[in-house]
Amino acid sequence: GESVGLHLPTLSVQEGDNSIINCAYSNSASDYFIWYKQESGKGPQFIIDIRSNMDKRQGQRVTVLLNKTVKHLSLQIAATQPGDSAVYFCAENRATGSARHLTFGSGTQLTVLP
Amino acid sequence: EADIYQTPRYLVIGTGKKITLECSQTMGHDKMYWYQQDPGMELHLIHYSYGVNSTEKGDLSSESTVSRIRTEHFPLTLESARPSHTSQYLCASSPRGSSNQPQHFGDGTRLSIL
Repeated sequence: GESVGLHLPTLSVQEGDNSIINCAYSNSASDYFIWYKQESGKGPQFIIDIRSNMDKRQGQRVTVLLNKTVKHLSLQIAATQPGDSAVYFCAENRATGSARHLTFGSGTQLTVLP
Repeated sequence: EADIYQTPRYLVIGTGKKITLECSQTMGHDKMYWYQQDPGMELHLIHYSYGVNSTEKGDLSSESTVSRIRTEHFPLTLESARPSHTSQYLCASSPRGSSNQPQHFGDGTRLSIL
């Protein structure tokens, strides 16, 4: 079936290194994608979004890349810091009946090592 | 700085009790959502509302009900709690208009039914 999913459930990186978190989606009709960060005991926090008419979007220390050919989304975090340790979710906005809703992947746990 | 508030944060209660989880937002958002999330897992949409007196069921079947009498308030009710309802419940909101914009989340209610 159609789904949003992540390649790796866990990722450990050294402090200061760059992190790359990947996400695969299978609904070619999805036109909007979001990355969220969820720290323990908190709700998801918006990081960055991208529309399907773009290939790349940059924020502060974060970059999202969208490859529509292979239906792949990635989140790059530059100079990873301890505060980046969290679970990261990608979500796509796709149609369910007459409405459009966010569908979330299963998350990647990012651990930043000292 | 939270503009969407959920209470209680934690609730441990016995089987058969009626429960209401509160969600309020101060951003004037028309759209509000309830998600269910098991630890470390993806979010599943259980209810949504596009405005006052508008409520719809989400992708995941739920025995809960919701109401939207005021724009800022979107409570979720379980008439008779069961152990299978044990989970985290997250509330979110987004502005009127295009569905291609991020949702803002509360910090959730962690519910345990004994």
